[in-house]
Amino acid sequence: EADIYQTPRYLVIGTGKKITLECSQTMGHDKMYWYQQDPGMELHLIHYSYGVNSTEKGDLSSESTVSRIRTEHFPLTLESARPSHTSQYLCASSPQGSRAQYFGPGTRLLVL
Amino acid sequence: DQQVKQNSPSLSVQEGRISILNCDYTNSMFDYFLWYKKYPAEGPTFLISISSIKDKNEDGRFTVFLNKSAKHLSLHIVPSQPGDSAVYFCAAKGYGGATNKLIFGTGTLLAVQP
Repeated sequence: EADIYQTPRYLVIGTGKKITLECSQTMGHDKMYWYQQDPGMELHLIHYSYGVNSTEKGDLSSESTVSRIRTEHFPLTLESARPSHTSQYLCASSPQGSRAQYFGPGTRLLVL
Repeated sequence: DQQVKQNSPSLSVQEGRISILNCDYTNSMFDYFLWYKKYPAEGPTFLISISSIKDKNEDGRFTVFLNKSAKHLSLHIVPSQPGDSAVYFCAAKGYGGATNKLIFGTGTLLAVQP
């Protein structure tokens, strides 16, 4: 199982601010993912990466961007936060050859 | 259209009894299925998985059953404990193309009463 860290755990921010949600994992997993989840709903994939310098958009359209400069780090950035971005953001990783994904604790974002 | 469905939003069982959580899927290309447990304000925790070449996988108190012809899987928890109270998500995955990613259901809230 992966050790995955997400910071901050909770964030309240005003509309128009730029924010970066951090995600790091210490297991050297090649594959990393960002999901968005609203209460009572399924998790929706918004970004994924299969390795350094590889990023792809997921199934759910998102105004966020990601980068993967180092294997262990997969930050997500919102250039201008809006109330519609209020949600829980979950980061996950998966080792090569495994089909399971292991999740971090999540970041709850509230945009006022 | 939702490819993975958990039609029961909630389930309540007594401590010590069996909990049965159900999940249906529509895409026959899915060949790997997972169950996750999620507490509020935390990330999902991987519980158990099953490949389509099997119809049962067991890990301690948790057993997953897969019925491919019915496109149905279930998670059995025996005996249920109050600490099992959480939201349970099933997820499905296939090889290649659109099914290469995990597709999640909407979750079932399990409440285990002491």
